Amino acid sequence: SQELEQSPQSLIVQEGKNLTINCTSSKTLYGLYWYKQKYGEGLIFLMMLQKGGEEKSHEKITAKLDEKKQQSSLHITASQPSHAGIYLCGAVPYSGGGADGLTFGKGTHLIIQP
Amino acid sequence: NAGVTQTPKFQVLKTGQSMTLQCAQDMNHNSMYWYRQDPGMGLRLIYYSASEGTTDKGEVPNGYNVSRLNKREFSLRLESAAPSQTSVYFCASSEQIRGLSSTDTQYFGPGTRLTVL
Repeated sequence: SQELEQSPQSLIVQEGKNLTINCTSSKTLYGLYWYKQKYGEGLIFLMMLQKGGEEKSHEKITAKLDEKKQQSSLHITASQPSHAGIYLCGAVPYSGGGADGLTFGKGTHLIIQP
Repeated sequence: NAGVTQTPKFQVLKTGQSMTLQCAQDMNHNSMYWYRQDPGMGLRLIYYSASEGTTDKGEVPNGYNVSRLNKREFSLRLESAAPSQTSVYFCASSEQIRGLSSTDTQYFGPGTRLTVL
């Protein structure tokens, strides 16, 4: 079965600084999702990557999938208090398996210090 | 559109009691899912329904049953609750059709916080 390792597990960053969260898979990634969760709330979809080398950006957040499709990174530029929360990566289990649920990493807890 | 809705938001049960968690989506999605989230464990898939009329076990199905009542609704039942089922339960849905290589976004509900004493 597929396992997703997220690093770091937690991160404390001063407001205005950049940061990167990584998600590494034990198998090829056929679809990689990034979600954000505020404490005590549901998951908010950020971005989905499918092709090797793909990169997507939304506001100050950029996600990349490496060429080998086994690692993804999420980069936040000039962090703000609104970026605080838990970031989760989730993966499609196999090619064509998008209907069969996602495997998730354990999450990265991000704290932004003023 | 309400998206994915879940009821109840909070629930406290005693060991051995039963209950059903309700989930509905108004996006005409084909696939629906139930996950549980525990500290240090991330989200784990309990059951899913890739289309109306079908259900399949996920990673942690023991102690649960599900019903895909219609295209909109997917319920999760705990027949005899145990303290190990204390968790936050999330329902999700997507347009995804089984077998297609494209991947559609999964949209999540707000969660149900369940405590079993």
